Amino acid sequence: GAGVSQSPSNKVTEKGKDVELRCDPISGHTALYWYRQSLGQGLEFLIYFQGNSAPDKSGLPSDRFSAERTGGSVSTLTIQRTQQEDSAVYLCASRPARSGNTIYFGEGSWLTVV
Amino acid sequence: DQQVKQNSPSLSVQEGRISILNCDYTNSMFDYFLWYKKYPAEGPTFLISISSIKDKNEDGRFTVFLNKSAKHLSLHIVPSQPGDSAVYFCAALNYGGSQGNLIFGKGTKLSVKP
Repeated sequence: GAGVSQSPSNKVTEKGKDVELRCDPISGHTALYWYRQSLGQGLEFLIYFQGNSAPDKSGLPSDRFSAERTGGSVSTLTIQRTQQEDSAVYLCASRPARSGNTIYFGEGSWLTVV
Repeated sequence: DQQVKQNSPSLSVQEGRISILNCDYTNSMFDYFLWYKKYPAEGPTFLISISSIKDKNEDGRFTVFLNKSAKHLSLHIVPSQPGDSAVYFCAALNYGGSQGNLIFGKGTKLSVKP
């Protein structure tokens, strides 16, 4: 597709279960970002990929969170042993290698932990 | 410590008037600034940006002003329209440095009344 695609768009999970969120960036975009937005909060940076490597993981809230990117394209954000405070919108964004500094967001994956 | 601050969580403006959204930053290494707009249940969309070598950038009804000495930028919307009602996020980037991620403020919710 033309834009950043995220799946699932909505996920309700029980506390303690693991979840995987997927991001398909815009084709050809080398940089990929994960952010999250909790209710009433701003956009919180989680992790940034350049190609398949993650030069900046500083935003991951705990060791229950991990992310990988394969083939310089699709990325998966995994949350293990989910907690209620993990409930948020998880937003993925991508950026082209050279043309401009703008990042383009997907629609987000809405995670609710019950 | 927040590096990008939007001190007004909300702003209400009459249709046809000017909307001014403010943003302050603390990191003098930031060299590129962006504004994103977010409607409920949608991902953020890019609105306008400005490089640190400029002090103004205009695109239609939207103008961004940058005051580097004050570490302050503002977004002006003239004239404001009801469809502009959304949450506006200010973001900053240190493109020349090792950080690739955008740092976002917490957002300002703009309501334009007909």
